[in-house]
Formats: sequence, structure tokens, C-alpha cells
Amino acid sequence: QKEVEQDPGPLSVPEGAIVSLNCTYSNSAFQYFMWYRQYSRKGPELLMYTYSSGNKEDGRFTAQVDKSSKYISLFIRDSQPSDSATYLCATSPNTGKLIFGQGTTLQVKP
Amino acid sequence: SQTIHQWPATLVQPVGSPLSLECTVEGTSNPNLYWYRQAAGRGLQLLFYSVGIGQISSEVPQNLSASRPQDRQFILSSKKLLLSDSGFYLCAWRVDLREKLFFGSGTQLSVL
Repeated sequence: QKEVEQDPGPLSVPEGAIVSLNCTYSNSAFQYFMWYRQYSRKGPELLMYTYSSGNKEDGRFTAQVDKSSKYISLFIRDSQPSDSATYLCATSPNTGKLIFGQGTTLQVKP
Repeated sequence: SQTIHQWPATLVQPVGSPLSLECTVEGTSNPNLYWYRQAAGRGLQLLFYSVGIGQISSEVPQNLSASRPQDRQFILSSKKLLLSDSGFYLCAWRVDLREKLFFGSGTQLSVL
């Protein structure tokens, strides 16, 4: 079993839709959670960073962490074609090694 | 503000040739530095990380090596490239082990 599982997709939605991206992790020692957006042939860009259960909102993006279920989500409201990219979840225990999910490819159609 | 520079953006090399990719970070001191590789359609694989000058930890045995000759400089090298070394190479940095990780723009390496 991988330490972080993420459905690779692809996920295709119409413009304006609410997008839900999800990851599960296996180790309850993981404490820090991040979401990255990566456009084709570009470096990943940090979108969200959190270290606690609950929701964190930044503009159209909301990160949700449920430590009891070992489940993390990223919600994108009013999705735009410019949101089309690969989204990577990442988590880290206190030791610092960052574990990445495989990434979910999202396509937002105009 | 901190910035990370990685070059070149694209590289095409023949099998058996040497490799040197360079990464520098500006605006911070003693960063933790990382080299990742991303194969097409796959996740990020950690290759090397460094918590200080001359301190290199290897995550995956391979024909690649890394060096940190200066505080904010991280170099990925190979003496003889293999076809399997093709991929997207990313340098990254963070302040310490609990902080956010920031990536460079990446180098697309094709070994032919």
C-alpha cells in the first residue's frame, strides 16, 4: 500500500463547476499537508499548506483535512479553464520527508 | 523575497554523456535543498536532499550524484547518462523540515 493514494484521473468538468480532489494517507504520524498545482512542464506551485484538521480557505480554494479518516481534500469553486493542471497532494511527518501523491489531472472545459 | 533558479530548462543528451544540472536559491540562508525526478505520468521521486554544505542524503541508488559546494547551490550530476535517466528534474528548497517546500521551474532531460 502506498503511503499516499491519489486517483490520477483524468477529471473533466465544465467551467463553473465545483471540483473535489482527494487523497488518502496511511500513516497517522503525518502532520503537515500541502496541495500543489502543476502545469505541463512546469515546476509545482504551492496552493495550500495546513497542519491541522478542518478547513482552510484561500480565494476559490478550500483545503480540508480529516485526520481521523486520514483523508485530505481540495475544493475548487467556480472552476476556470486556467485551473486545468495536475494537482498533487503531499504530506509529511514530523521528520520532514515529504510524501507526494501521484497527482490528479484536471481539465476544465469552457 | 526568496527565489529559486534552475537551469537549463531543456536538455537533450546522448547516452553515455555526462550531466550537470544546477540550482541556486536566493534570499535565504542554509536552506534544505532537494532534487526530485518526475517521469511522464508519474509522481515525484525524491533523489537527494541536503540540510547543509557537504551534507548529501541519497534516497534512491542510481548513477546520479549530488553535491552542495556552496550554501545555496545544489548540483545534480552523472558521469554517464542512461536512457532511463530521461525525465523532468526538479530542484526544491525549504527553510526547515516543517516548512513549505518550493520548487524550481524544472529541467526536461531527454537521453537519446
